[in-house]
Amino acid sequence: AQSVTQPDIHITVSEGASLELRCNYSYGATPYLFWYVQSPGQGLQLLLKYFSGDTLVQGIKGFEAEFKRSQSSFNLRKPSVHWSDAAEYFCAVDRASNFGNEKLTFGTGTRLTIIP
Amino acid sequence: AAGVIQSPRHLIKEKRETATLKCYPIPRHDTVYWYQQGPGQDPQFLISFYEKMQSDKGSIPDRFSAQQFSDYHSELNMSSLELGDSALYFCASSLGVNLPGNEQFFGPGTRLTVL
Repeated sequence: AQSVTQPDIHITVSEGASLELRCNYSYGATPYLFWYVQSPGQGLQLLLKYFSGDTLVQGIKGFEAEFKRSQSSFNLRKPSVHWSDAAEYFCAVDRASNFGNEKLTFGTGTRLTIIP
Repeated sequence: AAGVIQSPRHLIKEKRETATLKCYPIPRHDTVYWYQQGPGQDPQFLISFYEKMQSDKGSIPDRFSAQQFSDYHSELNMSSLELGDSALYFCASSLGVNLPGNEQFFGPGTRLTVL
């Protein structure tokens, strides 16, 4: 069964500092990986996704993530965070089937706090 | 651009009552997913429908049922509500045409509070 681990429950960074949120996955085949962001009381917004090809994926809001098969990781990065980046971040894995889409399996999330 | 619509946005019910949550997918999307997110928890997959047929089932209690209608909207019916059912319920939609990893677009969620 597929699973996702986000080791950091809560991260605090200063505005303007760089950010890296960790995500490790467990899946036998090539995974399809996603990062979602959730602001308080809001829905989930897709930041970026990895299917295949280039292992460095660019997303919205200046985020990027790198797929490393050898480490089973898909860490999210941003060179300089803004106060508006404060939110909950979820890593998720999906697997394809002949039927089409499958359910997303989410990690437990990392809460990002930005300090001035 | 049109997004996933969920109604109601907030719902308060008593224990043992029944609730119905509705989801209207993005136009032309034929796949709908339901997720439950408890307080401080990650979203947990409940059930999904593709072309009006159940395509996958997760940790959905027997007290819950769902269906997808001919216009592709979906309803999640919850009976004999329990305090533990209090959560944020998300609906997501996608274009399920056997393309792996198709993006699921999430609605804003329905916050259900059971008293």
